[in-house]
Amino acid sequence: AQSVTQLGSHVSVSEGALVLLRCNYSSSVPPYLFWYVQYPNQGLQLLLKYTTGATLVKGINGFEAEFKKSETSFHLTKPSAHMSDAAEYFCAVMANAGKSTFGDGTTLTVKP
Amino acid sequence: ETGVTQTPRHLVMGMTNKKSLKCEQHLGHNAMYWYKQSAKKPLELMFVYSLEERVENNSVPSRFSPECPNSSHLFLHLHTLQPEDSALYLCASSQGQGELGYTFGSGTRLTVV
Repeated sequence: AQSVTQLGSHVSVSEGALVLLRCNYSSSVPPYLFWYVQYPNQGLQLLLKYTTGATLVKGINGFEAEFKKSETSFHLTKPSAHMSDAAEYFCAVMANAGKSTFGDGTTLTVKP
Repeated sequence: ETGVTQTPRHLVMGMTNKKSLKCEQHLGHNAMYWYKQSAKKPLELMFVYSLEERVENNSVPSRFSPECPNSSHLFLHLHTLQPEDSALYLCASSQGQGELGYTFGSGTRLTVV
């Protein structure tokens, strides 16, 4: 079985501030982990992924995430928020082949 | 250009109509998916096709009928829908079993009246 919990359905930060979006997962086998971003009226776009190897993964648009097995977490961070980062973000886990389970999403608002 | 194209982008249909959603991927992937995204609800996996064979059908009502004629095309045939079927329908594709992630289309916004 696999599941994903995103803590906080809405996060608001000021432009230039740190972005931290939280994701915890549950998986009976070593998981693959993903973060996706969805802009209004668009599909989801892959930001970054963890498969194996280095636990700190870097993605597009300056985002990164760290896989922490002991905490079953895969939080997404960005040092300095930009107005264009405002979107909905989804964490996903894949432990069963061919089936990703998505979190409920976190809406990021960036204030000028 | 995401590599996955969905048409139409918007669709309004009556409950007695029959319509089809189309998805085409230009990435050489061998798996394709239909997801339903409703307001205030998590993404729902509807169907999975791998190598053109349906490998998953998540208890989706029979008024939704998928078709995958080849590895590049995926359809979702709709008939006698209900207002609660109004949602954003997303198509995605992946190579292998999705270990490298999915590529999504921009979706079809469906409204059932």
